[in-house]
Amino acid sequence: AQKVTQAQTEISVVEKEDVTLDCVYETRDTTYYLFWYKQPPSGELVFLIRRNSFDEQNEISGRYSWNFQKSTSSFNFTITASQVVDSAVYFCALSENQGAQKLVFGQGTRLTINP
Amino acid sequence: GAGVSQSPSNKVTEKGKDVELRCDPISGHTALYWYRQSLGQGLEFLIYFQGNSAPDKSGLPSDRFSAERTGGSVSTLTIQRTQQEDSAVYLCASSSAGGPYEQYFGPGTRLTVT
Repeated sequence: AQKVTQAQTEISVVEKEDVTLDCVYETRDTTYYLFWYKQPPSGELVFLIRRNSFDEQNEISGRYSWNFQKSTSSFNFTITASQVVDSAVYFCALSENQGAQKLVFGQGTRLTINP
Repeated sequence: GAGVSQSPSNKVTEKGKDVELRCDPISGHTALYWYRQSLGQGLEFLIYFQGNSAPDKSGLPSDRFSAERTGGSVSTLTIQRTQQEDSAVYLCASSSAGGPYEQYFGPGTRLTVT
């Protein structure tokens, strides 16, 4: 069975600090996909990134970066120089490579950036 | 272009009543998903539609839940004889194909069963 664990339930930092959100996953599939979504206070889930299991290159998009390590089954997300607008709940998710390819979500990490 | 839309945004119903929740996916998206978000269970998959294929209903929690998708576009999730444990935010998502593409979510319907 697939499982995603986000051990950090809540994180609170001061603006401009760097913050890393952890994600650990379990799957028996050799091909799978990993995602991060942001859920701001408005409630709508916003897609951030998708990686497939064959691509372990780290990715950077502005202040956001992602570190994918198959050896530790982790897909961590770092926000550099955090801003108040980054405050949200962040979800890591895993998708199988067959069938419905539904998203299996972690429990989410509530990130609060304080001014 | 327009994103995924859902209606109503909020629904309060009495225990035992039936409710219908509607989802309009992004135009041209062939895959449509329903998820449920609740405090106790987090985000969980309910049902998946892809084109004309039979839906994947593996996530529906009981036979009181059903869904249909008409004309490959709009979808309706129906909950019969609602129970208090059905209270949650029901999220609809669509993607461009039935592959592992990113799913785009609607704003959700908050259902409260009293």
